[in-house]
Amino acid sequence: GAVVSQHPSWVICKSGTSVKIECRSLDFQATTMFWYRQFPKQSLMLMATSNEGSKATYEQGVEKDKFLINHASLTLSTLTVTSAHPEDSSFYICSARPGGEGQPQHFGDGTRLSIL
Amino acid sequence: SQQGEEDPQALSIQEGENATMNCSYKTSINNLQWYRQNSGRGLVHLILIRSNEREKHSGRLRVTLDTSKKSSSLLITASRAADTASYFCATASGAGSYQLTFGKGTKLSVIP
Repeated sequence: GAVVSQHPSWVICKSGTSVKIECRSLDFQATTMFWYRQFPKQSLMLMATSNEGSKATYEQGVEKDKFLINHASLTLSTLTVTSAHPEDSSFYICSARPGGEGQPQHFGDGTRLSIL
Repeated sequence: SQQGEEDPQALSIQEGENATMNCSYKTSINNLQWYRQNSGRGLVHLILIRSNEREKHSGRLRVTLDTSKKSSSLLITASRAADTASYFCATASGAGSYQLTFGKGTKLSVIP
């Protein structure tokens, strides 16, 4: 149980393109989903916390107009990297958390984004 | 900002040996979690230990938590080549304990 599906797993596109990444909880409802960014050989940095039906909460230094987050249902959150540039190239990982105290986050397999 | 600091940063052992990884953190926590990440993949949740717990076991994994020292350790016994991965500790603090703050990770290599 507790499977999170993230799609696509790999994207290569030209500079200026907008890219949408989907994160789905397949067998549980997730009122909260999280979006992380990970640079090579480094840890995960939280970008934003996504709550179903409300605006996402962005971490300091993350541009909300650059990284658009939509959490329209209890099983789906999307991250759109708008007008992507080479410096946006990274590994993006989502996670979803079931309700209840002390629940772990369950992670998708990540999306490797390469902007040419 | 990162709270956890794992050590060692990298660990290489022979198959069958035990692997111990440590994590230190700075602020008070509600729980601490250990995750595993295979190269280029997402994270897999291994074990969660609450702030009022001192030790927890799951299969070949043993986690300890010392809140007075703000530290935790992950022990993998009888390691296998398939255990090769990066291991991260993450702390949950504050109301709701929903957000996690990850450490830098330990890269474990188990040599067959």
